[in-house]
This record gives sequence, C-alpha cells and structure tokens, in this order.
Amino acid sequence: SAVISQKPSRDICQRGTSLTIQCQVDSQVTMMFWYRQQPGQSLTLIATANQGSEATYESGFVIDKFPISRPNLTFSTLTVSNMSPEDSSIYLCSARFEGKDTFGSGTRLTVV
Amino acid sequence: AQKVTQAQTEISVVEKEDVTLDCVYETRDTTYYLFWYKQPPSGELVFLIRRNSFDEQNEISGRYSWNFQKSTSSFNFTITASQVVDSAVYFCALSDRSNDYKLSFGAGTTVTVRA
Repeated sequence: SAVISQKPSRDICQRGTSLTIQCQVDSQVTMMFWYRQQPGQSLTLIATANQGSEATYESGFVIDKFPISRPNLTFSTLTVSNMSPEDSSIYLCSARFEGKDTFGSGTRLTVV
Repeated sequence: AQKVTQAQTEISVVEKEDVTLDCVYETRDTTYYLFWYKQPPSGELVFLIRRNSFDEQNEISGRYSWNFQKSTSSFNFTITASQVVDSAVYFCALSDRSNDYKLSFGAGTTVTVRA
C-alpha cells in the first residue's frame, strides 16, 4: 500500500492566520482526499484533490476557506485560511492506491 | 441521509473478552465496498479490511474477524481475546457509486479494553 507523509503533525495558530498542510505520497495516485475530524467526531470529507484541475468540494466547504493544490500525482496541500477557534480539528489527507484509501498521520490544529 | 450507522458509541471490556462492533449500511447500488478502520489515541487512521459487495465470505485475520451479511446490510467486526492495545476508535465506511466511490464514515465506536 502507499505510504503518506503528512506535515505538520500539530500546530497552534492565532486566529485570523492561515496554515498550509502538506501530504506526500510515495506512489503516483489518481485520487487524493482531505478530511476534517472535529473533536470526538467522525471524519468529514472536505474535498477531492484533482491533479491538474480545481479540487471538488463537498457541501459546506468552499475554496476560499480551504484552498487545495495538487501539482502532481504524489503531492497535495490544504490551506486553512483566516482561522477561527471553530477550525480546531484534526485534518487528514488520504490517497487511493489499488482500491484502498491510506491516510496520513493527521494534523492536529488548535486555533487560539 | 446517514449511509453508515454504528449504533454503539462506546464499548468497555476487560482484557481477553471478545467484543463485536456493529455496522449497518445503506445503499441502492449493487456494487459497493465496505471498510473498517482503526484510530488509536495517536490519531492516525489504520486500514483493517476492505470487502466488496460480491464477496460475502466471512474473513478472519488473527484475532480479527468480519461478518458480512447483505440480507441485513450489516458488516460486523469482532475482536477475539481483546488486548489493551486494541483500545481505539473503530470506524466502518462505505464506498458506492452514488457517492463517486468516496468514503462515507460511520460515527465510530470507541473501544476501551481494561487490563
């Protein structure tokens, strides 16, 4: 299966600032995804990161707040923009390889 | 609409007890995939199993076993002789055509194994 390196693993940020999270996959993959996991909750899909085109966002998530880049088949970034305390969550990326979705280790974000 | 239901919020057992996690799914597609993931306290999501809709064979992997029953739309997971290291949140997920084969996760079941 693919191996995903996600960073940073955690961060504490001031409200109003932005944080960019990176995910690197050790294999070329067509599909990459970004999720948010609020404290004590399940995973909610933010968007599908499409290589060479704009990301596809789920209902309730917008590009201005969560811009995503996918410059090639092994890398993607998610930016959490203009952060507020409500954005405090774990953010996870995943990559689909041979029919299985493998997840990064997650980024624990705290906004103060 | 909720596509994956994990009715058990928390389960607490003593070490060496068996524990069964329930998962009920909803889909109109004939081709779909079911998954179980484990999320230990460290936070990473660990893949456990994938099952496609055409394969109803139950599976055993070490202390883990899965019971897939299309008739009841259930994909239950049993941990035999539980250990403290099994303490985690376990998520059931569904991938089907109506959702472009993206994963829909259940709410998760927190398993606590006491020594």
